[in-house]
Amino acid sequence: DARVTQTPRHKVTEMGQEVTMRCQPILGHNTVFWYRQTMMQGLELLAYFRNRAPLDDSGMPKDRFSAEMPDATLATLKIQPSEPRDSAVYFCASGLVTGVGTGELFFGEGSRLTVL
Amino acid sequence: RKEVEQDPGPFNVPEGATVAFNCTYSNSASQSFFWYRQDCRKEPKLLMSVYSSGNEDGRFTAQLNRASQYISLLIRDSKLSDSATYLCVVREDTGRRALTFGSGTRLQVQP
Repeated sequence: DARVTQTPRHKVTEMGQEVTMRCQPILGHNTVFWYRQTMMQGLELLAYFRNRAPLDDSGMPKDRFSAEMPDATLATLKIQPSEPRDSAVYFCASGLVTGVGTGELFFGEGSRLTVL
Repeated sequence: RKEVEQDPGPFNVPEGATVAFNCTYSNSASQSFFWYRQDCRKEPKLLMSVYSSGNEDGRFTAQLNRASQYISLLIRDSKLSDSATYLCVVREDTGRRALTFGSGTRLQVQP
């Protein structure tokens, strides 16, 4: 059963520490998204890759966040330095988006980050 | 103004009731529409796509009104297992083609 895999599932860290979240998209999918979810803001798009190229990262605080896809099987989201306001659930999602695609995204189980 | 707006609820309904959610979107370039479901502390999952002519999947009916820029989801004969948050999603089919999610409407079906 193909699924998106995210690590770590849970992370508790102290303010100022670096946090790296990893995602393995479903094989064959051409798009990868990073979303952040909080009670207050709902699901916010942070970054979006198509065929490993970054298409949009306008939702990401550039000074501390970075997103990369070093290869087709790995996407990373890094926060350095982390702050308490970064506490949220970070979801990775992948999909096969074409001109007439359904647009279904498959989400990982999320990485729950707590910054103290 | 948010791109996709939903009433956060919660909607508390008894089993067997019919309940409807609306969602409005601001970007007239939006071309594709979806409803996702998210259970508590779980990831969102696609419930159904929304087609221009409206579509039905069992107890669920989705409608699109492009003129007024809103989407609706109707659930008939509610089950306890329908309790979840329902996320309205739109996709702009030019350029980015990213999905924009509403904040969700929470449904609680009570016995």
